[in-house]
Amino acid sequence: DAGVIQSPRHEVTEMGQEVTLRCKPISGHDYLFWYRQTMMRGLELLIYFNNNVPIDDSGMPEDRFSAKMPNASFSTLKIQPSEPRDSAVYFCASSFGLTGELFFGEGSRLTVL
Amino acid sequence: AQSVTQLGSHVSVSEGALVLLRCNYSSSVPPYLFWYVQYPNQGLQLLLKYTTGATLVKGINGFEAEFKKSETSFHLTKPSAHMSDAAEYFCAVTRRGDKIIFGKGTRLHILP
Repeated sequence: DAGVIQSPRHEVTEMGQEVTLRCKPISGHDYLFWYRQTMMRGLELLIYFNNNVPIDDSGMPEDRFSAKMPNASFSTLKIQPSEPRDSAVYFCASSFGLTGELFFGEGSRLTVL
Repeated sequence: AQSVTQLGSHVSVSEGALVLLRCNYSSSVPPYLFWYVQYPNQGLQLLLKYTTGATLVKGINGFEAEFKKSETSFHLTKPSAHMSDAAEYFCAVTRRGDKIIFGKGTRLHILP
């Protein structure tokens, strides 16, 4: 079975541009999580969904960030406008139930110049 | 509130030596505890977990961890380090029906 699939793997953009990161969770999983990882701040939970509904977005840094999950097999994380401090690796993860057993994608490395 | 503290952001051991990565947790209710591993340029993957039952938990690649309630600890060990163990290791805690909380990670370096 395919794991969590993220795209793009790498994104380089200029400050002010819109960035859209995509995630396909494992089929049958009902929870989807977006994390951000940086050297300075470590691994941060941005938002998570249950059955496509956002449950906790308290980790979203500011209004420039938004996330959607239009159906059970697709989610997006959008940054508009992007800033250099948004440079990080963004991970999507999914799980069946809120058990702590998360399956992570390989991440999207974002560089904002 | 739950939290985890990983002692040491970097740990170096010689190949063949014992690996010991320390994790202490804080939880007001019986915790579920986890260790995840992240290899370079990859996402995290589950190494082992403790929910209930036996306090010594075995995971993949020869790793194991012991839940010690009296010490609020869940240290990760491996008897003999291998070069392929070089990675970042994350301890995590949750409780039934709650989101998982990750520690800041410990980067394990294996010396030849």
